[in-house]
Amino acid sequence: GAVVSQHPSWVICKSGTSVKIECRSLDFQATTMFWYRQFPKQSLMLMATSNEGSKATYEQGVEKDKFLINHASLTLSTLTVTSAHPEDSSFYICSAREATSGGLEFFGPGTRLTVL
Amino acid sequence: QKEVEQDPGPLSVPEGAIVSLNCTYSNSAFQYFMWYRQYSRKGPELLMYTYSSGNKEDGRFTAQVDKSSKYISLFIRDSQPSDSATYLCAMSVRGGSNYKLTFGKGTLLTVNP
Repeated sequence: GAVVSQHPSWVICKSGTSVKIECRSLDFQATTMFWYRQFPKQSLMLMATSNEGSKATYEQGVEKDKFLINHASLTLSTLTVTSAHPEDSSFYICSAREATSGGLEFFGPGTRLTVL
Repeated sequence: QKEVEQDPGPLSVPEGAIVSLNCTYSNSAFQYFMWYRQYSRKGPELLMYTYSSGNKEDGRFTAQVDKSSKYISLFIRDSQPSDSATYLCAMSVRGGSNYKLTFGKGTLLTVNP
């Protein structure tokens, strides 16, 4: 149980375009989903927290207009990187928490974004 | 002082060795303690979790929490090359609707055949 999927697993796009990444909880309802960013050989950096049906809470320094998060249902959250630039190239990972799982987060496999 | 400290390694051991991975923390409010394993270019995978001081065993893995010393450990017995990965400790405060995980930096482990 507790499987989280992400799509796509990798994407290459041109500078200035927008990219949408999907995160789904496959066998549980995720009341809260998180989006992280990870640079090579570094730990995960939390970007934002989203609760189903409400606006996401962004961490300090994360541009909410650039990284649009939608948590439309209990099994789906999306991250849209708008007007992507090469510096947005990174590994993006989502995680999901079930209401009854306490502090446990289950992570997706990640999406590698490369902006040319 | 960072909330969670973890030696980044790298740590290299021969196959069959016992591996000890450790984290210290400063926030005494932490009550959930977790270990994640992350293979290269993959998302973290939950290995072990515990809510209390003491030991918890699962196969070759043992998680140990010492709240009085603010110290957690993960032991891997009979380590295998497939255990080669980055191990992240994580912890959070119990309660509240939006409590977040605080991660260590991760320890890169290589098990040599």
